[in-house]
Amino acid sequence: DVKVTQSSRYLVKRTGEKVFLECVQDMDHENMFWYRQDPGLGLRLIYFSYDVKMKEKGDIPEGYSVSREKKERFSLILESASTNQTSMYLCASSPQTGSSYEQYFGPGTRLTVT
Amino acid sequence: KNQVEQSPQSLIILEGKNCTLQCNYTVSPFSNLRWYKQDTGRGPVSLTIMTFSENTKSNGRYTATLDADTKQSSLHITASQLSDSASYICVVGYSGYALNFGKGTSLLVTP
Repeated sequence: DVKVTQSSRYLVKRTGEKVFLECVQDMDHENMFWYRQDPGLGLRLIYFSYDVKMKEKGDIPEGYSVSREKKERFSLILESASTNQTSMYLCASSPQTGSSYEQYFGPGTRLTVT
Repeated sequence: KNQVEQSPQSLIILEGKNCTLQCNYTVSPFSNLRWYKQDTGRGPVSLTIMTFSENTKSNGRYTATLDADTKQSSLHITASQLSDSASYICVVGYSGYALNFGKGTSLLVTP
């Protein structure tokens, strides 16, 4: 079974802090994704990585950056957390580029910025 | 604008009953349509994926249908169980890696 793990289930940070969210997948997938999910909205793509050190902006990249130094690990960075970044963050991975391929999601990190 | 609309927004049914969830989309070009189940506080889990040429797909008690001409899909749940209580998300894939997510239908199955 594909396993996507995220470093924290719940996280509370203060405004202005630098926040790191970690995601690890164990299936040697090329592609990894970061989404956020807010009540009343569908999942929205923040960033996408199709290879080590490669990244593309998604629909809402502002205020975020990412890092992919190893194939299995994809990090989301909030350079200076703000209250409007309080959200559920979901990481996903898929074996190939192309939307026909299954995306496997992690359990999510619920981040609260106070 | 590419959109995925789901209805109803929420639904309550009795255990053992059937139900059908609806999804309409305007996403173009269309590549595939997926249904995900998301338990509260968890990540989404895939139920079905259908391409343009498929008009029905089953996964146990879950059956998804797709009408690419009218751009409509439905998810039918048979003989519901308490564990079916979750949010069901319709997702349309279009170009490259891109997915367009609906807001979900929240289903509650009561004893």
